[in-house]
Amino acid sequence: KAGVTQTPRYLIKTRGQQVTLSCSPISGHRSVSWYQQTPGQGLQFLFEYFSETQRNKGNFPGRFSGRQFSNSRSEMNVSTLELGDSALYLCASSSPKGGGYNEQFFGPGTRLTVL
Amino acid sequence: GQQLNQSPQSMFIQEGEDVSMNCTSSSIFNTWLWYKQDPGEGPVLLIALYKAGELTSNGRLTAQFGITRKDSFLNISASIPSDVGIYFCAGQPSSGGSNYKLTFGKGTLLTVNP
Repeated sequence: KAGVTQTPRYLIKTRGQQVTLSCSPISGHRSVSWYQQTPGQGLQFLFEYFSETQRNKGNFPGRFSGRQFSNSRSEMNVSTLELGDSALYLCASSSPKGGGYNEQFFGPGTRLTVL
Repeated sequence: GQQLNQSPQSMFIQEGEDVSMNCTSSSIFNTWLWYKQDPGEGPVLLIALYKAGELTSNGRLTAQFGITRKDSFLNISASIPSDVGIYFCAGQPSSGGSNYKLTFGKGTLLTVNP
């Protein structure tokens, strides 16, 4: 079974631009979560989608948004990029287990550099 | 929000040595996970724990879910060079509405000297 894929793997943008990152979950997984990873803050939760609906959201400004399509693929968008948005953006997919918990499996990430 | 304190921040050990790292939380978690991340890659799930007191092994790795539900530890026995990487703990809080969000520790950087 293929793992979580993310495109692109690397991206360089300048301040003020916007960016869209893509994530394809493991086949059959309907939940997709997004995280931002930086050396200073570690892994920070952005949001989670299930069946095209955002179920949970972290503490990020409105410049960060996402969506999920009917095939469970997900995209996240960052508008008006700032230098501090430079980070590794990770996508994780999961399938519900009994008791409500989902084991999350991560993709390789998209390394975003904002100049 | 929930905070996870992971320690130590880094470890430098000799090949063959055993390693132990742990995570503590200020609140109760109903699931603990341990991940390993190699440079330039996403975290890989190593062990998942679902019940307080549960002890689970995966090869040379052993992890336990603390009985207070506020802590977990990971042991690596007989370390080898490929164990190098960053190890993260992650927990799913028990409070309703957060069932789908993981909280991560800051990670433990493990270096193994051959």
